[in-house]
Amino acid sequence: DIQMTQSPSTLSASVGDRVTITCRAGQSISRGLAWYQQKPGKAPKLLIYQVSRLQSGVPSRFSGSGSGTEFTLTISSLQPDDFATYYCQQYNSFSWTFGQGTKVEI
Amino acid sequence: QVQLQQSRPGLVKPSQTLSLTCAISGDSISGNTVAWDWIRQSPSRGLEWLGRTRYRSKWYSEYAVSVKGRITITPDTSKNQISLQLDSVTPEDTAVYYCARDLVYSGAGIDFWGQGTLVTVSS
Repeated sequence: DIQMTQSPSTLSASVGDRVTITCRAGQSISRGLAWYQQKPGKAPKLLIYQVSRLQSGVPSRFSGSGSGTEFTLTISSLQPDDFATYYCQQYNSFSWTFGQGTKVEI
Repeated sequence: QVQLQQSRPGLVKPSQTLSLTCAISGDSISGNTVAWDWIRQSPSRGLEWLGRTRYRSKWYSEYAVSVKGRITITPDTSKNQISLQLDSVTPEDTAVYYCARDLVYSGAGIDFWGQGTLVTVSS
């Protein structure tokens, strides 16, 4: 399985901050990368797929970039609703794998 | 709107079989651009993809190496639902289990998820 490593594990930020989360793949995954947001007690929510494509209904303050093995999720101006845990997921190989998560807290 | 409704949470004894169902509305499980996944989440293992079932002229089910040999994912077209069976469970299988619609083969991600079912493995 392709290992996905996120950093940082926890991120403290304030409303209005620009936030960047990094995800590294154990091998090249081309453009097979998605980002999810999860709040306590809820299922993950798809934010971005194919590295940079915004899922319908997701605010434009979310963006993704990267290629090969290194990818980033950026929130341009953090809003109160954005405090949550974020996961990357690769789908380049037969078997999907997720990062361990980045908790964005106040 | 696509909705996935999972069966109720439960307690399963070690060595027994975990069984869950996921009823889908708003989409057909037999669509040839979609797959239907089971994913679980626990504090120790994080989010773990377990497997998928998909229809491409015939049904295919594919599984993660970590559970292969113990897992079966089955479609039921008459009820438009999928099922998960995990055999010989141990306390390590304690987790919240999710079913989800997977559009990866269409180039998108996992866009609709069930509400999650907590399964506890304990004697």
